[in-house]
Amino acid sequence: SQKIEQNSEALNIQEGKTATLTCNYTNYSPAYLQWYRQDPGRGPVFLLLIRENEKEKRKERLKVTFDTTLKQSLFHITASQPADSATYLCALGGMDSNYQLIWGAGTKLIIKP
Amino acid sequence: EPEVTQTPSHQVTQMGQEVILRCVPISNHLYFYWYRQILGQKVEFLVSFYNNEISEKSEIFDDQFSVERPDGSNFTLKIRSTKLEDSAMYFCASRLQQLGNQPQHFGDGTRLSIL
Repeated sequence: SQKIEQNSEALNIQEGKTATLTCNYTNYSPAYLQWYRQDPGRGPVFLLLIRENEKEKRKERLKVTFDTTLKQSLFHITASQPADSATYLCALGGMDSNYQLIWGAGTKLIIKP
Repeated sequence: EPEVTQTPSHQVTQMGQEVILRCVPISNHLYFYWYRQILGQKVEFLVSFYNNEISEKSEIFDDQFSVERPDGSNFTLKIRSTKLEDSAMYFCASRLQQLGNQPQHFGDGTRLSIL
């Protein structure tokens, strides 16, 4: 069955450093991958999307890479700030799931001042 | 910016009672979703809805669950006879298109507590 793995442990990063979150998947060939941010008690908020034929996507301090050979996406936040502290979710979509998003469990990111 | 709104924000219900969770999706969106998130766990897909019918549903979405779009604006999730294990955050989402690269837009959820 399709499986998505994200860093299960919380990630603690010093303010100003780059935070890197990992999303690995198996038994799936996604057409695209999306990253969302979720704050406690709130719904997920869309951040970035990357297609299967794209290697990298950037938006302000965010960068996403997508390696379909490794079956992995990396999500980077440069110059991290305490306000970046949240849970980050990756979600895959494609024909394999009839374009329903398959969600990872999320990684909790804590940026320390 | 248009938002998905959900009501109530918190619902407390006795086990065995029926509960209806309400959502107002973004007005020009065509695809609607319900998700569940048990405290500390991953977001779980329940059901998707398009053109006034269910297009996909998960194993969680059994006969106790139903969805409806009664008036062209509201999108509801009904649980007929609630169980303790139904306690969770329920998120509604909407999307302009299913294919392609459109993101899903989420509401802030209803926290359902079954006593």
